[in-house]
Parts: sequence; C-alpha cells; structure tokens
Amino acid sequence: GIQVEQSPPDLILQEGANSTLRCNFSDSVNNLQWFHQNPWGQLINLFYIPSGTKQNGRLSATTVATERYSLLYISSSQTTDSGVYFCAVLGPDSNYQLIWGAGTKLIIKP
Amino acid sequence: EAGVAQSPRYKIIEKRQSVAFWCNPISGHATLYWYQQILGQGPKLLIQFQNNGVVDDSQLPKDRFSAERLKGVDSTLKIQPAKLEDSAVYLCASSPRQKLRDTGELFFGEGSRLTVL
Repeated sequence: GIQVEQSPPDLILQEGANSTLRCNFSDSVNNLQWFHQNPWGQLINLFYIPSGTKQNGRLSATTVATERYSLLYISSSQTTDSGVYFCAVLGPDSNYQLIWGAGTKLIIKP
Repeated sequence: EAGVAQSPRYKIIEKRQSVAFWCNPISGHATLYWYQQILGQGPKLLIQFQNNGVVDDSQLPKDRFSAERLKGVDSTLKIQPAKLEDSAVYLCASSPRQKLRDTGELFFGEGSRLTVL
C-alpha cells in the first residue's frame, strides 16, 4: 500500500520563526490533506491540496504530485501553532481510506 | 454550526471491562468515521458508516469492538472486553460526502481518551 513519511519528526522553534514541514508519499494520490492536532487532541483540517499551492494567512502549502511530496510552510510562528501536523493521503485505488503519516511535532517557545 | 460532539472525553477502566463512546456528527453529514489514534501515531480508520449502513469495517477488531449508527445520526462505539493495547484516543469524524476523493471535507471531534489499566 501507499507509504507516507513526514519530516522532521520533531521541531522546536522560537516564536516568530519560520518552518517547513515535509510529506513524502510513495504513489499517486487523489487526496492530500494537512491537519493540525492541538495539544488538547483536536484535529483541524488545514488544507486540501492534492496538487498546486494554497495559502491561508501565515500558513501555505504546496504539493508537487509528479514528484510525490508536499510542503507545509508556517511563517512568523506563534505559540498557538504548537501541536502535531499530520499529512494524510488517499491512494489511487481508494475512495475513503486515508493513509496518515506519523506527524511532525512542533513546539513554539515564547 | 455545531461541530462533531463526542463523549466521554476521558475514560479509565480495568482490562476486561467494557466501555462505550458516543458521537454526534455535524447536522446533515451522512458519512461518519471512527478512528483509533495510539499515542505518537496517526489515526487509523476503524469503521465508516454511510447513513446507517456500514461502508468499511475491515480494520475493526470484531471480536471485541462493535459500532452502530441507528437512524443514521448518532453513533456508538463499544469495546468489550477491553485490553491494555486498546488504550488510545477514539476519534469520530463526519463528512457530507461519501467519498473523500476530490474533497477535504472531513471534520473531527475532540476525541475520547481511553486508558486501560
């Protein structure tokens, strides 16, 4: 089945710094989403981005489907950005079975 | 618009006991998912409902886990008897679409954290 790898596994930054999180996947995808899980466990959908680039405030994401990777950019980090960022993809033969990466744990220090 | 509601938020039980989790999806969402998230891992799909029918339960350990969605709205996930390895967060999610292909409309509840001693 499709494999999803996220890097780095952990990231500690000072408030105000920028960061780039990466998601590599092993096959073509019909769906790629980035989620943020806050320290209380709530999962929030950040981007639906199977290809192309999207921006939402300080966050942006780019997926290069032909090269099988996606990047999540966080600019001017705030302490509220702390948590775990997950990449999840839908393989070419599935309609609903999202495959999740192991996540990147981000800690923003004040 | 109210989000996905789950209860209880926390539950501690002894092994071999039973537990039940409840989920109320976003109004009008026909598709409901239960995920299991073990600490340090991404969520794993346990079961998907479309209205009150099961679409996929291939990863549900049916010897101890059961789930139902009577009337196509609320859903209950039960574990009986619980094992130590069932300690996890149980996440409920809903979507207005049956298929996640070509859509990012997947909304999660806050989860129910289970500790089995």
